[in-house]
Amino acid sequence: DVKVTQSSRYLVKRTGEKVFLECVQDMDHENMFWYRQDPGLGLRLIYFSYDVKMKEKGDIPEGYSVSREKKERFSLILESASTNQTSMYLCASSWGGGTMEFETQYFGPGTRLLVL
Amino acid sequence: RKEVEQDPGPFNVPEGATVAFNCTYSNSASQSFFWYRQDCRKEPKLLMSVYSSGNEDGRFTAQLNRASQYISLLIRDSKLSDSATYLCAVNLGSGGGADGLTFGKGTHLIIQP
Repeated sequence: DVKVTQSSRYLVKRTGEKVFLECVQDMDHENMFWYRQDPGLGLRLIYFSYDVKMKEKGDIPEGYSVSREKKERFSLILESASTNQTSMYLCASSWGGGTMEFETQYFGPGTRLLVL
Repeated sequence: RKEVEQDPGPFNVPEGATVAFNCTYSNSASQSFFWYRQDCRKEPKLLMSVYSSGNEDGRFTAQLNRASQYISLLIRDSKLSDSATYLCAVNLGSGGGADGLTFGKGTHLIIQP
């Protein structure tokens, strides 16, 4: 079974703090993704990575950065947390490739971040 | 504009009934389609992939209509445990997987006893 883990289930931070969210997958997947999910807005893609040290902006990258130094680990960084970044953050991974099997994304349990 | 659209619901359905919902997508060249299930405060989990010929998994049937650019999910003999939000996901690129999936906002299903 694919396993995607996230470093924290719940996190409370103060405005202006630097926040690190970690995601690890154990299936040697090429692609990794960070989403945020808010009521009424659905899943929105922040950043994704298709290889070590590679990153691509998603739909809402402003205020975020990412790091992928190892294939299994993808970190999301909030450089200076703001209250509008309070959200559920979900990490996902996939094999990558041209078939549906390889594009299937598997999600971690999510991190609920509250910024005060 | 690349989009994946779903009726947010909620769909209130009596236990044992059949329910179906659709998801429309904007790119006629899309090749990959999925249904995910998400329980309250949990992560989305893959329910089924949607193949061109349609596919069935127990009480669940997924179909693709390329001409009208939508996918559908049919649930027969609905159970209380089917209550969840159902997300569709489409690769709106031309394939390859590197650009990921676009998710609909989900359809909320409530099965009533």
